[in-house]
Amino acid sequence: AQSVAQPEDQVNVAEGNPLTVKCTYSVSGNPYLFWYVQYPNRGLQFLLKYITGDNLVKGSYGFEAEFNKSQTSFHLKKPSALVSDSALYFCAVREYNQGGKLIFGQGTELSVKP
Amino acid sequence: DGGITQSPKYLFRKEGQNVTLSCEQNLNHDAMYWYRQDPGQGLRLIYYSQIVNDFQKGDIAEGYSVSREKKESFPLTVTSAQKNPTAFYLCASSIVGANYGYTFGSGTRLTVV
Repeated sequence: AQSVAQPEDQVNVAEGNPLTVKCTYSVSGNPYLFWYVQYPNRGLQFLLKYITGDNLVKGSYGFEAEFNKSQTSFHLKKPSALVSDSALYFCAVREYNQGGKLIFGQGTELSVKP
Repeated sequence: DGGITQSPKYLFRKEGQNVTLSCEQNLNHDAMYWYRQDPGQGLRLIYYSQIVNDFQKGDIAEGYSVSREKKESFPLTVTSAQKNPTAFYLCASSIVGANYGYTFGSGTRLTVV
């Protein structure tokens, strides 16, 4: 069965420092991986996805994610955090041959302090 | 502008009442989904539909009902059988296919008074 885990409920970073939000996944075939961001009382917004190709995927707002097949991870990164990056971040996975629903992680609350 | 619209943004329900949350999309997406979000619990799937006139239960379907009479619309009814309905409800849509993500609506916050 497919699953995705976000091991940290909360990540705290100082503004200007690099940030990493962790995600690991479990699928039986090739994974399709996604990151979403949610601001308070809003819907989720798409940040980036990995389908195939380069392991480093670039997305919106300066975010990027690194796909690591051997470690079954898809960590979200940004070189220099902004206070406005503070939000709830969700990782999601779908198997290559499954056209159905995404499986979401529990979410990680990112807090960036000035 | 293409998108997915949820209404109302805030909804108050009295004990024992049924309420219906609206979700409409003009993205020509075949699949639509309803999620419930509670603090610290992430997203929990209530119902989903991949084609008109067909839908499947998600992980927490008890106390909820849906219909999919039109491709554009996927309303969710929270019935009186749902014992703890206060939550933030999110609707999403997508193209059916593994490499497509979801487009989310802005959510409806339901409060039982």
